[in-house]
Amino acid sequence: QSVLTQPPSVSGAPGQRVTISCTGSSSNIGAGYDVHWYQQLLGTAPKLLIYGNSNRPSGVPDRFSGSKSGTSASLAITGLQAEDEADYYCQSNDSSLSGSVFGTGTKVTVL
Amino acid sequence: EVQLVQSGAEVKKPGESLKISCKGSGYSFTSYWIAWVRQMPGKGLEWMGIIYPGDSDTRYSPSFQGQVTISADKSISTAYLQWSTLKASDTAVYYCARQRGVDYPGNFPPPLDYWGQGTLVTVSS
Repeated sequence: QSVLTQPPSVSGAPGQRVTISCTGSSSNIGAGYDVHWYQQLLGTAPKLLIYGNSNRPSGVPDRFSGSKSGTSASLAITGLQAEDEADYYCQSNDSSLSGSVFGTGTKVTVL
Repeated sequence: EVQLVQSGAEVKKPGESLKISCKGSGYSFTSYWIAWVRQMPGKGLEWMGIIYPGDSDTRYSPSFQGQVTISADKSISTAYLQWSTLKASDTAVYYCARQRGVDYPGNFPPPLDYWGQGTLVTVSS
């Protein structure tokens, strides 16, 4: 089990806003390490969605946003679209593991 | 254009050995760390380890230390992940990914900005 905990699933209707939490501890997110988010569409490789807690790579729609506070981080999707249906993972570093770690993953379903 | 192209799917028997590859192009291969990530069937992403092809400095996740070997041949811009004795529980998709380099302005760790297409490894008797 990962040291970064995410809800297994979230869902929302088209146009709604959903948020995904990534809960860590003082040895990872709380230690000041950056948090990144990845989107994995069914059957494809993960894609970088948010880096450095809140920055979007070129080409990522601005309906995706990230934030970090204390020992947690969040990914928000506003104006949910059918194409956003995917698995989402957070990633950070953990000093007790001496390396990077992924969150447990969250499946987003568009109703 | 940055690309990471992985070797094709493999079907192996328990106890066999295997080496899969990840070839980088479109950038300076020796200047960026390459990570390996496991995804077991229906499960999440797991960080296995990372290598710096410039000097072959390698770091393993504690869960994978001693279970796999990560290496690189900078002369052909290729990173490798290998097993000496496969188990059924090694059945998974394995991804390589480039870690963003020294230009990353944020705090550690840099993100994984480019990913390979994945290699499916099936271990079954």
